[in-house]
Amino acid sequence: SQKIEQNSEALNIQEGKTATLTCNYTNYSPAYLQWYRQDPGRGPVFLLLIRENEKEKRKERLKVTFDTTLKQSLFHITASQPADSATYLCALVAGGFKTIFGAGTRLFVKA
Amino acid sequence: DAMVIQNPRYQVTQFGKPVTLSCSQTLNHNVMYWYQQKSSQAPKLLFHYYDKDFNNEADTPDNFQSRRPNTSFCFLDIRSPGLGDAAMYLCATNTPGRGNEQFFGPGTRLTVL
Repeated sequence: SQKIEQNSEALNIQEGKTATLTCNYTNYSPAYLQWYRQDPGRGPVFLLLIRENEKEKRKERLKVTFDTTLKQSLFHITASQPADSATYLCALVAGGFKTIFGAGTRLFVKA
Repeated sequence: DAMVIQNPRYQVTQFGKPVTLSCSQTLNHNVMYWYQQKSSQAPKLLFHYYDKDFNNEADTPDNFQSRRPNTSFCFLDIRSPGLGDAAMYLCATNTPGRGNEQFFGPGTRLTVL
């Protein structure tokens, strides 16, 4: 069956360091991979999208990589700040309008 | 500002008592979605509308229904809520050509007593 895996353990890092979150998937051939941020009690907010033919995408302090051979995406936040503390969801768009979400990884950035 | 609005933000209902959650959008997007999200879990797609075309997920219980009377509004009806239906319900929108980037509302937290 189709599956998206994100590290369920929270990631704790020090302010200023780079946070790296992992998304692995099986039994998909996604056209796009997306990353969203979700704060407690709120809806997810779209951050970045990367297409299947792209290896890397950057937006300000964010960087996403996409390896369709490994079936993996890495999400990096450089120079992390306490305000970056949130849950980050990986999502795959396999076709049409259906998006499949991972359960997310909780990030804590300590000052 | 263009946005997705959900009402109410918090809804308490009794076991078996029908409840309706509402979503409205000012983005004029073609597609509207309803997701169910339980604590520390992934948002689970229940159904979506492309304009007036309704698309139900195969594993969405019959207890969940939806209506989209016009472009701006979409409703989620839970006919007989059970304790297992307590969750955050998220509405989202998008429009073709944007890589399926979705715009979410703030969610409605449903409690079933």
